[in-house]
Amino acid sequence: AQKVTQAQTEISVVEKEDVTLDCVYETRDTTYYLFWYKQPPSGELVFLIRRNSFDEQNEISGRYSWNFQKSTSSFNFTITASQVVDSAVYFCALSFNDMRFGAGTRLTVKP
Amino acid sequence: GAVVSQHPSRVICKSGTSVKIECRSLDFQATTMFWYRQFPKKSLMLMATSNEGSKATYEQGVEKDKFLINHASLTLSTLTVTSAHPEDSSFYICSARDLEGFDQPQHFGDGTRLSIL
Repeated sequence: AQKVTQAQTEISVVEKEDVTLDCVYETRDTTYYLFWYKQPPSGELVFLIRRNSFDEQNEISGRYSWNFQKSTSSFNFTITASQVVDSAVYFCALSFNDMRFGAGTRLTVKP
Repeated sequence: GAVVSQHPSRVICKSGTSVKIECRSLDFQATTMFWYRQFPKKSLMLMATSNEGSKATYEQGVEKDKFLINHASLTLSTLTVTSAHPEDSSFYICSARDLEGFDQPQHFGDGTRLSIL
């Protein structure tokens, strides 16, 4: 069975703070892909990153960074120096034949 | 590239009406399309997977006769909510994958907000 857990339902920070969104996954497959998506209030899903199970290198893209650790089955997402525009729901997802989403974390960045 | 167009973006209709939602891949051929449902403040729930030219595979608990899915071409899949009732009100999102394999990214439409009065 495949499962994605995002234990943080809601997070509220003040602008310029760093924030980490946690994602823990379960799968019996040795080959899989992990994703992060952003869903702003308008509803569309914005693709942020894809990582395959063989690539544990951390990635940084501007203020965003991702920490993938197979040993703990985690794929955490950090936003550095958060901005109000970062306010959204963030979903972590696991893909094999289809894509399974976590429950999402609602991030609110206050000015 | 890899744009998925979903139409309509919002539908408001009376109970008992059937509603059709279209999902089109504009610049690629989608061998597989997915339909998700999202309740307010909840995650995306996979409803069904459709492959071009074959019957859709529905997730457990999703009524096939209620949610009719047609994937007649490599660029178009439709979801028809038949005899819709207020409990069918939700946000429906489609996605498309242009090549076979779970490692290929899904490209999402912008969603359809369905409200049944």
